[in-house]
Amino acid sequence: KAGVTQTPRYLIKTRGQQVTLSCSPISGHRSVSWYQQTPGQGLQFLFEYFSETQRNKGNFPGRFSGRQFSNSRSEMNVSTLELGDSALYLCATQPGLLGGTDTQYFGPGTRLTVL
Amino acid sequence: TQLLEQSPQFLSIQEGENLTVYCNSSSVFSSLQWYRQEPGEGPVLLVTVVTGGEVKKLKRLTFQFGDARKDSSLHITAAQPGDTGLYLCAGAYDTNAGKSTFGDGTTLTVKP
Repeated sequence: KAGVTQTPRYLIKTRGQQVTLSCSPISGHRSVSWYQQTPGQGLQFLFEYFSETQRNKGNFPGRFSGRQFSNSRSEMNVSTLELGDSALYLCATQPGLLGGTDTQYFGPGTRLTVL
Repeated sequence: TQLLEQSPQFLSIQEGENLTVYCNSSSVFSSLQWYRQEPGEGPVLLVTVVTGGEVKKLKRLTFQFGDARKDSSLHITAAQPGDTGLYLCAGAYDTNAGKSTFGDGTTLTVKP
């Protein structure tokens, strides 16, 4: 099976702009979670989508949003970028079905730099 | 509030030495994962432990889940330079919740 893919791998934006990141899950995985990783805060949970619905949400401002499509691919959007949004954004997927494993498999991440 | 504490934060050892990394919490987890991450890449899953007291071995790596499912340890025997990386533990509270809590990680450097 192909692994989790994320595009783009690297992105440079300026303050005030917006950005959209994409994640394609492992085939058969319906749950997609997004995390932000920074040196100071470590891995922080943003939100999780399952069957096109947001199922869990972390403590991030409304500038961070996401969606999931019928093929389970997910996008996350950050509007009005701030310098502090510079981070490695990771998506992780799992089957998400009752009785299944709760192990998440990560993509390679998108490195976002805000100037 | 940091729900998962990893120790030590940094570890630098010589090739051939043994080491143990700890992951502790006051919360009970339904499962716990260990990941290894290299710079600029996503975490790669090493193991999932589910049952209290469970011990899993992966070549030179031994993982243990505490009896109460609140803590875990990772022991590496005869460390090699290829073991260098960031080791992360992650706890899940609800099966299939898609939301894991991560420790801050242990940065391991193994010198040849």
